[in-house]
Parts: sequence; structure tokens; C-alpha cells
Amino acid sequence: GDSVTQMEGPVTLSEEAFLTINCTYTATGYPSLFWYVQYPGEGLQLLLKATKADDKGSNKGFEATYRKETTSFHLEKGSVQVSDSAVYFCALSGGSRDDKIIFGKGTRLHILP
Amino acid sequence: GAVVSQHPSWVICKSGTSVKIECRSLDFQATTMFWYRQFPKQSLMLMATSNEGSKATYEQGVEKDKFLINHASLTLSTLTVTSAHPEDSSFYICSAKVTRTEAFFGQGTRLTVV
Repeated sequence: GDSVTQMEGPVTLSEEAFLTINCTYTATGYPSLFWYVQYPGEGLQLLLKATKADDKGSNKGFEATYRKETTSFHLEKGSVQVSDSAVYFCALSGGSRDDKIIFGKGTRLHILP
Repeated sequence: GAVVSQHPSWVICKSGTSVKIECRSLDFQATTMFWYRQFPKQSLMLMATSNEGSKATYEQGVEKDKFLINHASLTLSTLTVTSAHPEDSSFYICSAKVTRTEAFFGQGTRLTVV
């Protein structure tokens, strides 16, 4: 079945450092790919998405490119802030509105001032 | 933007009692909603897919008699944890898709069974 694998955390970085969180997927067909962020004690917020190969999703300085050839959707940010500390989930979903969203295990990010 | 509202945000109940969690789509109709469970510092585990007007589809290993799902209208799905026990304590999150590529999540319900 479909699955998402993302790098284990926690990841600890200093403020203004470059961030990469790796995500690879296995899926039949052409899924949409997502990054969600969860702040402590809260639900999930969509950070960015890409719906087809070579699409780049971006939001709040974060970017991820849908790479079909490597089945990857790595999250990057050029300069992280303390406020970026959260748990980040890579996810995929099929092409139908009724298709469920499958999540990776999440990567906890700590940014030190 | 589309909003999914979940209620209550937290609940404490005694062991053996039942708890109902509501999930509402506030400005769109959702024929399908999803219920997830999240253990501390872990990922979201899909429990079931809630289908309006029909039976829910449960993931393998999820007890359908334990976690009752009702999707009675296009804007409301409910999850009832029956005869709750301490091991049912968890963070429950619902989700609904607005389009095939866009999903919104409720705020989550933290259930503590004492």
C-alpha cells in the first residue's frame, strides 16, 4: 500500500540555519503531496502542497518540490526561526476527494535562539 | 478558508463511560470525513473513514464496536468512544477534504480516561 517515510527526529538547529527534512513516498498512481505542521497542543495546519510532478509548493519561507523520479518531497527553508519549532508531517493522498491522507511519522524540529 | 470544527477540545471521563466527539464542516459539505488518533509524540493513525449516509470504513485493527462513527449529515460526523478505558486516552483528530487535494483538520480532542 501507499506509504510515506520521513527522517527521524528530533532535529535541533540554531536560528538562521538551513533546514532540510527528507521525505520519500511509495504510491500507486499520481498522489498529491503535502507538508503539515503541528504546534504544541494544536491540530494540524497545511504548510504547503504539490499536486503533480515538478510542482513546487511554498509557504512562509518553506519549499518542497515534487520529484517523481526520486519519489521525494523534501522540505527546505533557508533560514529558520525559533517560531518554526514544531512537528512537521509529510503526507500523501490519492486523486479522489474520498481518498484518505497517509502521514509519515513526523519530525520534531527544535530551533535554538 | 474552509473550517473544520471539532468539539470538545478536551474531555476527561471515568472508565466505563462513553464519550462523543463531534466534527463539523462549517462552510462546506463533506461526504467523507476521516478520524485519526495520535499518541504522544507520534504520528497520526487513520482509524476510519466516515461516509455520509452509510457505514464507516474502519482500518485494520480498529474495533468498530469500540469506536462508533456516525455521519448523519453532510456537515457532521461523530466519533463515540464506548466503554472508555485508560488505554483509549489519546488525541483524536478529524479531517475533511474540501477538494481532492485540499484537506482541513479539526483542532483535535484530547481524551483522558481516569
